[in-house]
Amino acid sequence: SAVISQKPSRDICQRGTSLTIQCQVDSQVTMMFWYRQQPGQSLTLIATANQGSEATYESGFVIDKFPISRPNLTFSTLTVSNMSPEDSSIYLCSVLRPGRLEVYEQFFGPGTRLTVL
Amino acid sequence: DQQVKQNSPSLSVQEGRISILNCDYTNSMFDYFLWYKKYPAEGPTFLISISSIKDKNEDGRFTVFLNKSAKHLSLHIVPSQPGDSAVYFCAASASGNTGKLIFGQGTTLQVKP
Repeated sequence: SAVISQKPSRDICQRGTSLTIQCQVDSQVTMMFWYRQQPGQSLTLIATANQGSEATYESGFVIDKFPISRPNLTFSTLTVSNMSPEDSSIYLCSVLRPGRLEVYEQFFGPGTRLTVL
Repeated sequence: DQQVKQNSPSLSVQEGRISILNCDYTNSMFDYFLWYKKYPAEGPTFLISISSIKDKNEDGRFTVFLNKSAKHLSLHIVPSQPGDSAVYFCAASASGNTGKLIFGQGTTLQVKP
C-alpha cells in the first residue's frame, strides 16, 4: 500500500486568507488527485495533477481558486485561495499505485480538515 | 445531480450476520465501480472493485454484485465483524481505473458484538 502524508492535518483559518496543503507520497507516482469532502457530502474530485504539466480541473473548480503544484513525482500542493466558510471541508490527496487486488488501486491520504471562520 | 447514490445513511447489523450495502447510479457510461471503507480521521481505504463486464467479484468476506440493467450495485460482508464498523463509500468511473471517481454519500455501518 502507498504511504501518503498530508500537512497540515487540520487548520482553522480566517476568511479571505489562503492555505496551502502539502501531500507527500513514499514513492514516485505519475498521477495525483485532489478531492474534497464538504460536511455531510460525498467526496468530489477537484483536479488531477501530473508532474510536468498543468493540473486538469473538474467542472466547478478553477485554477485561480485552487492552484496546484506538482514539482516532482512524490509531492504536490493544493492551495485554497481567498477562503470563505463554504471552503470548510476535508481535502484529500490521492494516488494510483499498484495494488493487491487490482493492477492499480487508488490510495488516499488521511486528509486535511479545514475550517474557515 | 447526484450520479451515485447511497440511499441508506446508516445500517446496523449483528456480529456474524450479513451486511448488505447498496448503491445506485444514473450514468450508463460508468464502467468501473469501487467500494471504499473510511474510519474517522483517516482517508478512504480501497476494499473491492468490479468492472462493468462482470456481475460479481469477491475477496474474502467481501463480495460486490453489479446489476447493470438496474444500475445497482451492492457490497456484501459475510460474516460481519465489529471492526467492519465504518463509513462505506460507493464510487464509479466512466473512464475505467483512471483515478477520476464519483462518490456516493456514504453509509455508516455499525456491527454490534
